[in-house]
Amino acid sequence: NAGVTQTPKFRVLKTGQSMTLLCAQDMNHEYMYWYRQDPGMGLRLIHYSVGEGTTAKGEVPDGYNVSRLKKQNFLLGLESAAPSQTSVYFCASCDVRNEQFFGPGTRLTVL
Amino acid sequence: AQKVTQAQTEISVVEKEDVTLDCVYETRDTTYYLFWYKQPPSGELVFLIRRNSFDEQNEISGRYSWNFQKSTSSFNFTITASQVVDSAVYFCALSEGAGGFKTIFGAGTRLFVKA
Repeated sequence: NAGVTQTPKFRVLKTGQSMTLLCAQDMNHEYMYWYRQDPGMGLRLIHYSVGEGTTAKGEVPDGYNVSRLKKQNFLLGLESAAPSQTSVYFCASCDVRNEQFFGPGTRLTVL
Repeated sequence: AQKVTQAQTEISVVEKEDVTLDCVYETRDTTYYLFWYKQPPSGELVFLIRRNSFDEQNEISGRYSWNFQKSTSSFNFTITASQVVDSAVYFCALSEGAGGFKTIFGAGTRLFVKA
């Protein structure tokens, strides 16, 4: 039982490049979330999903897209990376009891 | 709109002191959940407690205790006899009761415990 895993752990991009962050959970959770963490600002919700095939916007969705084609996976895409997207990205999943389990994070730098 | 305020940006204490981290929240929902998470220097997020809006009982877990007061919209966290290993950033969070448990985090309080 791996819990929540994130791929990759680190990435450096140039402005304008695209990439996809993968989140996987093996707990059969319905709900999944993508957050970004910036110094002094806590975690901010980017997008979330309440089930396979559904997604919704969070606090800071601009510049990101997501997909939940399979229940266990939640993908976060950056179509054209910008330096403002330099951050640590956390994925989380939770069940109906609303206890969120977090992945280890992905540190992204956009030059 | 939901909001979580952690007014203390940084706190520094000496080992064995007690310390209280403040959390004030805003929500229009009658059903909601409150959380505390710990983020040690290694970076992972560690779940500490979940409390729903219908349960105002205070909770104690070892050296940790939580005081939930709906009247003042506060959910404060106290560490008794602090230890160096308690040094971390602590986040308070609020989740609405329906619609996917969308969660809003406070900005965090960085706690330094000196030996």
